Amino acid sequence: QVQLQESGPGLVKPSGTLSLTCTVSGGSITNSHWWTWVRQPPGKGLEWIGEIYHTGSSNYNPSLESRVTMSVDRSMNLFSLILTSVTAADTAVYFCAKMTPGRAAVGFDYWGPGTLVTVSS
Amino acid sequence: DIQMTQSPSSLSASVGDRVTISCRASQGINNYLAWYQQKPGKVPQLLIYAASTLQSGVPSRFSGSGSGTDFTLTISNLQPEDVATYYCQKYNSAPRTFGQGTKVDIK
Repeated sequence: QVQLQESGPGLVKPSGTLSLTCTVSGGSITNSHWWTWVRQPPGKGLEWIGEIYHTGSSNYNPSLESRVTMSVDRSMNLFSLILTSVTAADTAVYFCAKMTPGRAAVGFDYWGPGTLVTVSS
Repeated sequence: DIQMTQSPSSLSASVGDRVTISCRASQGINNYLAWYQQKPGKVPQLLIYAASTLQSGVPSRFSGSGSGTDFTLTISNLQPEDVATYYCQKYNSAPRTFGQGTKVDIK
């Protein structure tokens, strides 16, 4: 059973860079999944940030694409999110999740517990 | 990009009621539609995928229907533990957009 765990600083300064990792256990990051980031501002809905495959192929939310970079570390079995030039609007709980692509796709069946990132000076 | 629109944004119903939530895609997505339940302070949980297939362990009072652009989540016999916000999501291709959510509570 795959388990996901987010980690990273809980506080980032405005105009700074948000950096999070999601460690995958119970399965290999080289399995055929899209490794995904989703965020949820306090009291608001879910926003898909983007996804990355173990080959490095990625897709990003067009509204965030200019500030987002995702990467995979196969040796550490984790994937990462970098979001630059953050503002208070980027304050949110950040979740990592996985999705199997293609005909076996079922949506996001495994999620991490989420980590709150606050943008404040 | 395809937009996902849910209605209503919130509803209040009595225990035992039948509740329906609608989700509309701005373009056809075949049946690549998932529903999630998120209880306050918790992680979203996958309820239904492929528009109508119940995820393992989900109570049978939950059901989904639809294809193309119009989809429905139905909770028959609403229970107190169903108080949550429900989200639809298209997952056929990126961006894998969520609806804005429907908050369900008990009268």
